[in-house]
Amino acid sequence: DARVTQTPRHKVTEMGQEVTMRCQPILGHNTVFWYRQTMMQGLELLAYFRNRAPLDDSGMPKDRFSAEMPDATLATLKIQPSEPRDSAVYFCASGLGMGASYEQYFGPGTRLTVT
Amino acid sequence: RKEVEQDPGPFNVPEGATVAFNCTYSNSASQSFFWYRQDCRKEPKLLMSVYSSGNEDGRFTAQLNRASQYISLLIRDSKLSDSATYLCVGPTGGGNKLTFGTGTQLKVEL
Repeated sequence: DARVTQTPRHKVTEMGQEVTMRCQPILGHNTVFWYRQTMMQGLELLAYFRNRAPLDDSGMPKDRFSAEMPDATLATLKIQPSEPRDSAVYFCASGLGMGASYEQYFGPGTRLTVT
Repeated sequence: RKEVEQDPGPFNVPEGATVAFNCTYSNSASQSFFWYRQDCRKEPKLLMSVYSSGNEDGRFTAQLNRASQYISLLIRDSKLSDSATYLCVGPTGGGNKLTFGTGTQLKVEL
């Protein structure tokens, strides 16, 4: 049963610290998404990659967030420096992109708390 | 207008009832949509794809109404285990990415 995995599952850090979240997409999937979910904003797309190339990161605060895919089995999302308003659940999802119609499979999320 | 909009609910229904949710979208060129289910403190999980001809899976039926630009999810004979938040998803940004609605909360009660 193939699944998207994310680490860590929970992270508590102090304001100003760097946070790195990791995601392993389902083997064979060529599209990876990073989302942030809060009660107020719902599920927001931060960035996504296809075949490891960044296609859209318009939803991401550029000054502090960065997303990369160093290889096909690893995607990372970094926040530096972190702020309390970054507290949220961060989901990674992967899919097999076929044009604009594709199903996404989500990882369990990283629950981030910045104090 | 948001690209994908949903009534947040909550919809409180008795067990065994039929319940329907709608989701409106603004991009008239959109062709494929999805319904996801999200349980409390869990990740969204794909429930159904919605293509032009609609889709049925057991007690769940998804329909696409292009003329009025909405998709619907019908749940028949609702179970306590159907209690969750249901998210609709549609293509936006020229069709290159998907946007999630804010979700409709369903509570099925005894």
